[in-house]
Amino acid sequence: KAGVTQTPRYLIKTRGQQVTLSCSPISGHRSVSWYQQTPGQGLQFLFEYFSETQRNKGNFPGRFSGRQFSNSRSEMNVSTLELGDSALYLCASSLGVGNEQFFGPGTRLTVL
Amino acid sequence: AQKVTQAQTEISVVEKEDVTLDCVYETRDTTYYLFWYKQPPSGELVFLIRRNSFDEQNEISGRYSWNFQKSTSSFNFTITASQVVDSAVYFCALSEAGFGSGGYQKVTFGTGTKLQVIP
Repeated sequence: KAGVTQTPRYLIKTRGQQVTLSCSPISGHRSVSWYQQTPGQGLQFLFEYFSETQRNKGNFPGRFSGRQFSNSRSEMNVSTLELGDSALYLCASSLGVGNEQFFGPGTRLTVL
Repeated sequence: AQKVTQAQTEISVVEKEDVTLDCVYETRDTTYYLFWYKQPPSGELVFLIRRNSFDEQNEISGRYSWNFQKSTSSFNFTITASQVVDSAVYFCALSEAGFGSGGYQKVTFGTGTKLQVIP
């Protein structure tokens, strides 16, 4: 079974730009979660999608948004980028509540 | 609110030593799930183990073992005879299940423990 894939792997943007990150979950997994990982804050939960519906959201500003498509693939968008958005963005898929999550390799975003 | 505390930020051991990584959690739910993940230097988090709140049985998998104690809200991880390949950041995580609006999963991660195994 193919694992979770994320594209692109690396991104460099400037302040004020916007960015879209993509995640393809493991086949059969309908739950996709996004996390931001930084050295100072650790792993912070962004949001979770299940069957195209956002079920849960972390404490991030509205500049962070996402969506999930009917094939369970998910995208995350960050608008009006700030320097502090530089981080590793991780996507994880699972079968649902209480199940283990399988993580992708992440997208490393650098905001200059 | 749920919380996961990994008080050990960094641990260094010499190869073949045993090491225990501590994890203490807080939750008001009676049904919850606990996990350990490993993040090697390559960066990709790898799932190690899952436990639900009703299963306090300890588990052993090769050199890895886990001790779950609800009485102390702890889910500790022991590596026996550590090896250099065990060097990584280890995360403990807690998942509560919300059952409103079709259910949701909220996973909280600890801040991680960086383990360095010295040859």
